[in-house]
Amino acid sequence: DGGITQSPKYLFRKEGQNVTLSCEQNLNHDAMYWYRQDPGQGLRLIYYSQIVNDFQKGDIAEGYSVSREKKESFPLTVTSAQKNPTAFYLCASTAGRNSGNTIYFGEGSWLTVV
Amino acid sequence: GEDVEQSLFLSVREGDSSVINCTYTDSSSTYLYWYKQEPGAGLQLLTYIFSNMDMKQDQRLTVLLNKKDKHLSLRIADTQTGDSAIYFCAENGGGYNKLIFGAGTRLAVHP
Repeated sequence: DGGITQSPKYLFRKEGQNVTLSCEQNLNHDAMYWYRQDPGQGLRLIYYSQIVNDFQKGDIAEGYSVSREKKESFPLTVTSAQKNPTAFYLCASTAGRNSGNTIYFGEGSWLTVV
Repeated sequence: GEDVEQSLFLSVREGDSSVINCTYTDSSSTYLYWYKQEPGAGLQLLTYIFSNMDMKQDQRLTVLLNKKDKHLSLRIADTQTGDSAIYFCAENGGGYNKLIFGAGTRLAVHP
């Protein structure tokens, strides 16, 4: 089945550690996104990538890094510089501007700092 | 700047209609969306409307768009307990498929 797969579903990070969240899609979508969701709040854009080997900062990129070496993969690294990383992280993708701009989401990853 | 606002909570009786409202600020938005999120899950696209439309109906869902007032609403007919979730309004005024989300409306359906 086509879709977006995020892993792990739950992740615990110690203070000072970097962690990487995986996002893989088999929808042949060009654009991919990472959003952060905090309780009772909407989604905020961290990074997005419109094409392989290219990505742009979103609204809250500080303390995060990404790569886009393959079309189907867009991993997000939460670095030790991110002071409040505990949140729900959502990966998304879309075929592009002429597809009705439908953005599809993965099931999310919970990150907790311990 | 870009902003999307929604009321945070709505409670309805099973079988009644639910109306969730949203206002947005970016008049350049070409698409407006409604997403549903169940606890601990990702967002599921319910429906979207192109900015040159006033209304879109899809089974129990009706979307109304008042572009002049920048107001979007989602009506769910015959609301069921399975409709209990958080509903997010979003607009793509942020540029190339960059969605701007509201804080979400938590819909509670009671017997």
